[in-house]
Amino acid sequence: AQSVTQLDSQVPVFEEAPVELRCNYSSSVSVYLFWYVQYPNQGLQLLLKYLSGSTLVESINGFEAEFNKSQTSFHLRKPSVHISDTAEYFCAVKGGGYNKLIFGAGTRLAVHP
Amino acid sequence: DTGVSQDPRHKITKRGQNVTFRCDPISEHNRLYWYRQTLGQGPEFLTYFQNEAQLEKSRLLSDRFSAERPKGSFSTLEIQRTEQGDSAMYLCASSYPGTSGSKNEQFFGPGTRLTVL
Repeated sequence: AQSVTQLDSQVPVFEEAPVELRCNYSSSVSVYLFWYVQYPNQGLQLLLKYLSGSTLVESINGFEAEFNKSQTSFHLRKPSVHISDTAEYFCAVKGGGYNKLIFGAGTRLAVHP
Repeated sequence: DTGVSQDPRHKITKRGQNVTFRCDPISEHNRLYWYRQTLGQGPEFLTYFQNEAQLEKSRLLSDRFSAERPKGSFSTLEIQRTEQGDSAMYLCASSYPGTSGSKNEQFFGPGTRLTVL
């Protein structure tokens, strides 16, 4: 069965500092991985996804994630965070048939001035 | 198209009452999902529709829960005899049956927050 572990429930960081949000997965089928972001009182928005091809994927707002098959990881990174990046971040893996998503428990990123 | 919409955004009810939520997916999306998110947790899959057919249900979906998508467009999720443990955010998502890339991308609505007193 597929599962996702997000190793940090909260990550505090100062503005303009780099950040890494960790995600490990287990999957017995082809691996499709996702990062979603949830701002307060809003739904989830897709940040980036890995389906195949290059193991490094990037989003339009400066985040990137690298698929590492040997370590079964899909960590999310940003070299310099902004206050506006404060949100909850969820890692997810495609869970078998019908493409349902299996989510981790989330990591709350708090960016301080 | 403005994306996936859900109604109501908030619902407060007393234990034992029935509640119904509505989800309107993006118009060309034939796949529709319901998830439940409790405080401090990630969303958990509840059920999946392809067009009007309900093809998968989670064990989380007890017999008090029923979901429908009668014409393959909007969907409803009903909870009968609500319990305090049903308090959560109920999220709806839809996706497009296109290329392998796009069909794996789910677009989420803003959710319905249910509070059972």
